[in-house]
Amino acid sequence: GENVEQHPSTLSVQEGDSAVIKCTYSDSASNYFPWYKQELGKRPQLIIDIRSNVGEKKDQRIAVTLNKTAKHFSLHITETQPEDSAVYFCAASDNFNKFYFGSGTKLNVKP
Amino acid sequence: KAGVTQTPRYLIKTRGQQVTLSCSPISGHRSVSWYQQTPGQGLQFLFEYFSETQRNKGNFPGRFSGRQFSNSRSEMNVSTLELGDSALYLCASSLDGTVGNTIYFGEGSWLTVV
Repeated sequence: GENVEQHPSTLSVQEGDSAVIKCTYSDSASNYFPWYKQELGKRPQLIIDIRSNVGEKKDQRIAVTLNKTAKHFSLHITETQPEDSAVYFCAASDNFNKFYFGSGTKLNVKP
Repeated sequence: KAGVTQTPRYLIKTRGQQVTLSCSPISGHRSVSWYQQTPGQGLQFLFEYFSETQRNKGNFPGRFSGRQFSNSRSEMNVSTLELGDSALYLCASSLDGTVGNTIYFGEGSWLTVV
């Protein structure tokens, strides 16, 4: 089955800096890659996603890039703010809501 | 529009007992999936239902089962509970589960097995 690896497990940045989280996947059939943000005690919430026919997608301060050949995708957050502090999960899917999640990255944005 | 609703939110069970968790999807959503979240294993897929049929299943033992009703509400059941079943159980819904459909998670049910 699919295996999704996520790095780093923890990331500490200064407010205003950029943060990058990287994921790799193993199954070339995976064609949908969402990113979720989970605040402490809360539900995961979708922040951005990308399909396999697209190389990059941006939404304000957040961007995701996908390299299908290398089977990796990354989340980029620019101008980080303290409210960006949370755990971020990447995921990969090739069919009906069956997602394989990365192990999560705890992002800490220091004011 | 109401979100995904899970009940109960918190529960404590004893080893060997069974538990049933409930999930009401967002109105109009027909696909419901379940995930187990633990600090050690992260988020793991349990199963997915659409139109009362299980379409996908993760790598969990047969003690974990689920079903979906005609109104798209879903339940999952864990029998013969073990200490390792202590986890946050998350339900997620989407329109029809097609790849690319946004999935929306519920707040989860916190299960503690003692």
